[in-house]
Amino acid sequence: QSALTQPASVSESPGQSITISCTGTSSDVGSYNLVSWYQQHPGKAPKVMIYEVSKRPSGVSNRFSGSKSGNTASLTISGLQAEDEADYYCCSYAGSGTSAFGGGTKLTVL
Amino acid sequence: EVQLVESGGGLVQPGGSLRLSCTTSGFTFSNFWLHWVRQAPGKGLVWVSRINSDGSSTNYADSVKGRFTISRDNAKNTLYLQMNSLRAEDTAVYYCARGTYCFDPWGQGTLVTVSS
Repeated sequence: QSALTQPASVSESPGQSITISCTGTSSDVGSYNLVSWYQQHPGKAPKVMIYEVSKRPSGVSNRFSGSKSGNTASLTISGLQAEDEADYYCCSYAGSGTSAFGGGTKLTVL
Repeated sequence: EVQLVESGGGLVQPGGSLRLSCTTSGFTFSNFWLHWVRQAPGKGLVWVSRINSDGSSTNYADSVKGRFTISRDNAKNTLYLQMNSLRAEDTAVYYCARGTYCFDPWGQGTLVTVSS
């Protein structure tokens, strides 16, 4: 059970777009369309932003989108806003009833 | 409104035990899989364990296998995590979360500190 790989930090200006990558293996990200993304503000519980690679829960802004190619999933946030500044985590089903998270990416909106 | 509320955290000595509870409301508890996820101070999220809707199937991260036991009481709408042989590296905020392969929603978390 290995953690998925995410960049430690990313930064961009308001109004711009950013993409956060999440690299796994053929045993997790590459084998299942069961990647989800979570937003976590300091001191708060995580909130799901994307599930099943590219589906958006009700109430989540359409500025958030997800995709996958091979063993790498991606979260794209367009039209960055100050409120998007947070930590973002990817998660994938890893088989045998287990799941694996990425190490997290700190997004700074400059 | 769907709610999950964790309790039972606290300070425990290395080698000790603790039982966490996750009390839920606002949904049909017995229809959903549930998970425990932890987050060490200043660190990332780590999946710990999951249980299916009727409690007949459970899975664990390698780091807690043999020491932690997940269970549920569908009559009380409550999820549990029995933690034995606790180590310093188990220090974390423990969250319960609803879902099969996606975690939604999450509780607010309960802090477990393992220290002498």
